[in-house]
Amino acid sequence: DIVMTQTPLSSPVTLGQPASISCRSSQSLVHSDGNTYLSWLQQRPGQPPRLLIYKISNRFSGVPDRFSGSGAGTNFTLKISRVEAEDVGVYYCMQSTRITWTFGQGTKVDIK
Amino acid sequence: EVQLVESGGGLVQPGGSLRLSCAASGFTFSSYAMSWVRQAPGKGLEWVSAISAGTGSTYYADSVKGRFTISRDNSKNTLYLQMNSLRAEDTALYYCAKVWFGEGTTDYWGQGTLVTVSS
Repeated sequence: DIVMTQTPLSSPVTLGQPASISCRSSQSLVHSDGNTYLSWLQQRPGQPPRLLIYKISNRFSGVPDRFSGSGAGTNFTLKISRVEAEDVGVYYCMQSTRITWTFGQGTKVDIK
Repeated sequence: EVQLVESGGGLVQPGGSLRLSCAASGFTFSSYAMSWVRQAPGKGLEWVSAISAGTGSTYYADSVKGRFTISRDNSKNTLYLQMNSLRAEDTALYYCAKVWFGEGTTDYWGQGTLVTVSS
């Protein structure tokens, strides 16, 4: 299975300041169809996960534009340009390039 | 509005069985692959199984292969997960999720149903 490694595992952030989460895969996530199936999910406390970003950099419907994704191959990044209180939660990267999907360990974002 | 409602969780003894259900609405269920993802208490997400839309092809994580069976009833808009030979490490909140095939991800998730395996 592809192993997804996120850093940091915890990210205390000041409101209005940026946050960045890194995700590295143990193998290239480029699919044979040329796409890279790397998503970012947000899980607020007590809630199910919610899709934020798909195929590296595409924001899902309704996701604020302060969220952005980038990267290629095996290295990916989620950035929040200005953290708001509602952004508190755990963020997961997920690969679905291979049939058996795998998630990163999660990065907890909270307010300093 | 897409809705996914899981049910069937509960307390079961090691070695026992449970069948989870996920009732789907707000989209053409038969046209979409579906998946189960679980989350052990205080832990991260673990993909469990998936089933395709057309052929009903099934896929499993190694941790559940041979013990769990995913299925779907398109006439009832319902996804199932039959879990046999349950172990303590299967204790988790089980989510069903709609697969957005064209973009290779899960775009909607249910609220989850809790499975506790304990004697």
